[in-house]
Amino acid sequence: AQSVSQHNHHVILSEAASLELGCNYSYGGTVNLFWYVQYPGQHLQLLLKYFSGDPLVKGIKGFEAEFIKSKFSFNLRKPSVQWSDTAEYFCAVNSLTDSWGKLQFGAGTQVVVTP
Amino acid sequence: GAGVSQTPSNKVTEKGKYVELRCDPISGHTALYWYRQSLGQGPEFLIYFQGTGAADDSGLPNDRFFAVRPEGSVSTLKIQRTERGDSAVYLCASTRDGNEQFFGPGTRLTVL
Repeated sequence: AQSVSQHNHHVILSEAASLELGCNYSYGGTVNLFWYVQYPGQHLQLLLKYFSGDPLVKGIKGFEAEFIKSKFSFNLRKPSVQWSDTAEYFCAVNSLTDSWGKLQFGAGTQVVVTP
Repeated sequence: GAGVSQTPSNKVTEKGKYVELRCDPISGHTALYWYRQSLGQGPEFLIYFQGTGAADDSGLPNDRFFAVRPEGSVSTLKIQRTERGDSAVYLCASTRDGNEQFFGPGTRLTVL
């Protein structure tokens, strides 16, 4: 079955530390890839996306993600986190053989940044 | 501009009752999606509308769940004979071009 896996459910780190969240998917064909973020008390919002081209994509708030096709991975990174990055992060995949825009999400990673 | 809105924000009902959850998408967005998010999980796809028609309802768990979008804007998710397992946050999202889905705040449904 097609799936999206996020390796960590909870991550706790200090301000200025580097962050990397893993995401792997099991779709065989062409995919669009997304990272969404949900800050406490807020809606899900798009952090960044990959459709094609340069596999290293940059998003808002200093986040970036790298698509590695051979590893079916789309890992999210930020070199130096801030307390305001405390949130839940979701990786999502849209398979181009599936319905237009239909997203399959990973289970999410709760990130807590301590001052 | 206004984002996606959902009403009610919270709904508590008893097992066996009928509920309706409403979604107002961003004006001009032709595509609308419903997702369900259970505790500790990511959102799970339920149904996708393109205009007035349900283009993909493969995520609806059973025939107790139904959704409509009669005029191609507002959508209503209807759940009959609610069960405790239906308790979750129901999310709605809309998009114009498929590049980014804009999510609403969700409706938290609790079935007692």
